[in-house]
Amino acid sequence: GQQVMQIPQYQHVQEGEDFTTYCNSSTTLSNIQWYKQRPGGHPVFLIQLVKSGEVKKQKRLTFQFGEAKKNSSLHITATQTTDVGTYFCAGPRRAGANSKLTFGKGITLSVRP
Amino acid sequence: NAGVTQTPKFQVLKTGQSMTLQCAQDMNHEYMSWYRQDPGMGLRLIHYSVGAGITDQGEVPNGYNVSRSTTEDFPLRLLSAAPSQTSVYFCASASTSGRTDTQYFGPGTRLTVL
Repeated sequence: GQQVMQIPQYQHVQEGEDFTTYCNSSTTLSNIQWYKQRPGGHPVFLIQLVKSGEVKKQKRLTFQFGEAKKNSSLHITATQTTDVGTYFCAGPRRAGANSKLTFGKGITLSVRP
Repeated sequence: NAGVTQTPKFQVLKTGQSMTLQCAQDMNHEYMSWYRQDPGMGLRLIHYSVGAGITDQGEVPNGYNVSRSTTEDFPLRLLSAAPSQTSVYFCASASTSGRTDTQYFGPGTRLTVL
């Protein structure tokens, strides 16, 4: 079945450093979504990418969807302690079944002040 | 608009006990789902529903039952709790219409089975 992979599962950065993480799917995706979960909290939707090569920005966060629509990246510029948490990517399990998502295992980001 | 609500927030069970985790949403979403989250395992889909009266199994359905008698409610039942079901459980809902299918998660239920 479809797999969505995020490696590594943990990353530690110094505050102010940039951070990039990647998400890879075993199949072509109609869209990809990113969620953030703060420690002790629940996943919260960040963004959805639909078009091949699409790039979207949210303040210091930049999201990109690959040309082949099988991978995506999240880049954080000048990390802050507020960026701490686990970032999940998720893609629909099959075309047309957008609400049934496969989640990656997530990457947990820690930021040293 | 409360979004997705879950009760209880915390629960401790003994092996063999049964219980129901409650989930409700007030956004008129057709799609609802249950996930469990374990360290290093990400979010794993237990059961989901695409509308009232319709449910289906996800990746890890064994030991859990669900029903969807109304659009708003989607309870998850543990018939005979086992220590392997110790986890954090999240309910989520989404609209199946429109251009985005954002999933809205509830605050979670932290379950310990002794």
